[in-house]
Amino acid sequence: SQQGEEDPQALSIQEGENATMNCSYKTSINNLQWYRQNSGRGLVHLILIRSNEREKHSGRLRVTLDTSKKSSSLLITASRAADTASYFCATEDQGGKLIFGQGTELSVKP
Amino acid sequence: DTGVSQDPRHKITKRGQNVTFRCDPISEHNRLYWYRQTLGQGPEFLTYFQNEAQLEKSRLLSDRFSAERPKGSFSTLEIQRTEQGDSAMYLCASSRRLANEQFFGPGTRLTVL
Repeated sequence: SQQGEEDPQALSIQEGENATMNCSYKTSINNLQWYRQNSGRGLVHLILIRSNEREKHSGRLRVTLDTSKKSSSLLITASRAADTASYFCATEDQGGKLIFGQGTELSVKP
Repeated sequence: DTGVSQDPRHKITKRGQNVTFRCDPISEHNRLYWYRQTLGQGPEFLTYFQNEAQLEKSRLLSDRFSAERPKGSFSTLEIQRTEQGDSAMYLCASSRRLANEQFFGPGTRLTVL
């Protein structure tokens, strides 16, 4: 079963614009992770934010976590055509397994 | 390339046949996970191992599914008497320990005719 909702399900922007994706989850977590998946391929880990952290940066990525609202957001700044992919949030439970959202399909037009 | 490999990459089989997939994790990773992903959905957890011990299995994993990780190295996932509903991408991931990022393989795409 999926952990929660991702919003929007699809996002289309121009190169250079920022892209924001949101994720909500239902249960308590160890951490929340974001992954990227190019069409028909495996997932690539982008960033991990622990439950006691509120914000984290990595290059052009900024992730926030609000445990009181059980939500997270991923911001990609100055997007590039190569950022076109599906983006998934995943929460890690106490046992270590990941529970994924349904994903946001991002299209960045040159 | 994340360092996790899966074989085969694609498998087409007829309903009722058995199939087996293999995953080779990153060598120093002691945790290995199997997920299943259908079109337009996020991956769903199937089972995971810590070394050779299978610690958890999802309710999604019916009796027709079995997974092993002998000697805590590579893992196999077998599906017996395949059904059309088993058609999906089967993903393997490994991690060094709990609360760490997971490294995913390229997946095995199964099509059951």
